[in-house]
Amino acid sequence: DSGVTQTPKHLITATGQRVTLRCSPRSGDLSVYWYQQSLDQGLQFLIQYYNGEERAKGNILERFSAQQFPDLHSELNLSSLELGDSALYFCASSPQTGSGTDTQYFGPGTRLTVL
Amino acid sequence: AQTVTQSQPEMSVQEAETVTLSCTYDTSESDYYLFWYKQPPSRQMILVIRQEAYKQQNATENRFSVNFQKAAKSFSLKISDSQLGDAAMYFCAYRTNTGNQFYFGTGTSLTVIP
Repeated sequence: DSGVTQTPKHLITATGQRVTLRCSPRSGDLSVYWYQQSLDQGLQFLIQYYNGEERAKGNILERFSAQQFPDLHSELNLSSLELGDSALYFCASSPQTGSGTDTQYFGPGTRLTVL
Repeated sequence: AQTVTQSQPEMSVQEAETVTLSCTYDTSESDYYLFWYKQPPSRQMILVIRQEAYKQQNATENRFSVNFQKAAKSFSLKISDSQLGDAAMYFCAYRTNTGNQFYFGTGTSLTVIP
């Protein structure tokens, strides 16, 4: 158990809908990262937040957005869902001490299925 | 741009034997970090081992060790005395010292044969 929690574990929805994925980082970790893992692809970095502020952006679609709240939990919002958005979405957290040595600890993931 | 390549989509090893998973990366950076993550059927991503590029000594964690060749930009994972529980997808990952995102390879699926 990494200490990172993600809810829900599974989500089934229809095209065109909007969903919210939630992540709680390890206690004390300030950074949260979101990744997408499709069936035939590796992990794709989406976005990172550090202490409430966006820090880095990867291959995140405009239909997707995220935020980190004062209690450091984060939410990833996916809207106008398409079949291709079906994937496993991971959240990871790290202490972000600023030294660049941070290791990311992954949550169990949320399996999103778009029908 | 940084890229991470895992050229072995699938590997298999007999229980108790040793297996080496390959990873190469491309970067112009001199200071960075490399990781191996394990993803078992539960899909949880588990950190296996980490290597700092400035360290010449190869990292070791129990039965897991790496062969880090900085000049060749190679970072292979050796699993000794393979166990059934080692069966999983293994991902190699790269991170710069200053950047915040990880770059992952496409993974190697390891099967352990009893």
